[in-house]
Amino acid sequence: AQSVSQHNHHVILSEAASLELGCNYSYGGTVNLFWYVQYPGQHLQLLLKYFSGDPLVKGIKGFEAEFIKSKFSFNLRKPSVQWSDTAEYFCAVNGQYNFNKFYFGSGTKLNVKP
Amino acid sequence: DAGVTQSPTHLIKTRGQHVTLRCSPISGHKSVSWYQQVLGQGPQFIFQYYEKEERGRGNFPDRFSARQFPNYSSELNVNALLLGDSALYLCASSLNFVGTGADTQYFGPGTRLTVL
Repeated sequence: AQSVSQHNHHVILSEAASLELGCNYSYGGTVNLFWYVQYPGQHLQLLLKYFSGDPLVKGIKGFEAEFIKSKFSFNLRKPSVQWSDTAEYFCAVNGQYNFNKFYFGSGTKLNVKP
Repeated sequence: DAGVTQSPTHLIKTRGQHVTLRCSPISGHKSVSWYQQVLGQGPQFIFQYYEKEERGRGNFPDRFSARQFPNYSSELNVNALLLGDSALYLCASSLNFVGTGADTQYFGPGTRLTVL
């Protein structure tokens, strides 16, 4: 079965600090990878996604993620966080044998101090 | 444009009861997926429906069932409620079949179910 691990459950940063949130998945075949964000009081929304091609994916609000197949990882990065990035971030994956099933990680709560 | 809507917002039930949750997808979207999010965890996939047919099912017991109507709205039914069914139930819609992974899912605000 597929699974997604997000090792950082709670991250606290000051504004302008750099961010990297880890995401590892377990699946041997072709995968699609996603990062979702949930701002306080809002719905889950897509931040970025990887299907194929360039393993460095750019998303909204200056976020990017790099797919490293050999490490089964899809880490989320942002060079300089803002207070408005305070939110919960979820990594998700679906795989070639079960594309219609999405597997989410447990989430990382990011708190950016102004 | 209206996003994904879900009703009710909150619901309190007792063990053994039955519950029906409703979801209206974004206009034009034909696929609806249901997720269960227990406090402190990420969403867990329950079902996906596309063109009124079940296209995927997660590891949930048969007490969980769903259906999609001709207008693409959907209902999630849970029978014989257990305390452990207390969670936020999320609905997500997408334009087409999500199976290829190429489509984006848009999430609703969820229904908070409490089982006493």
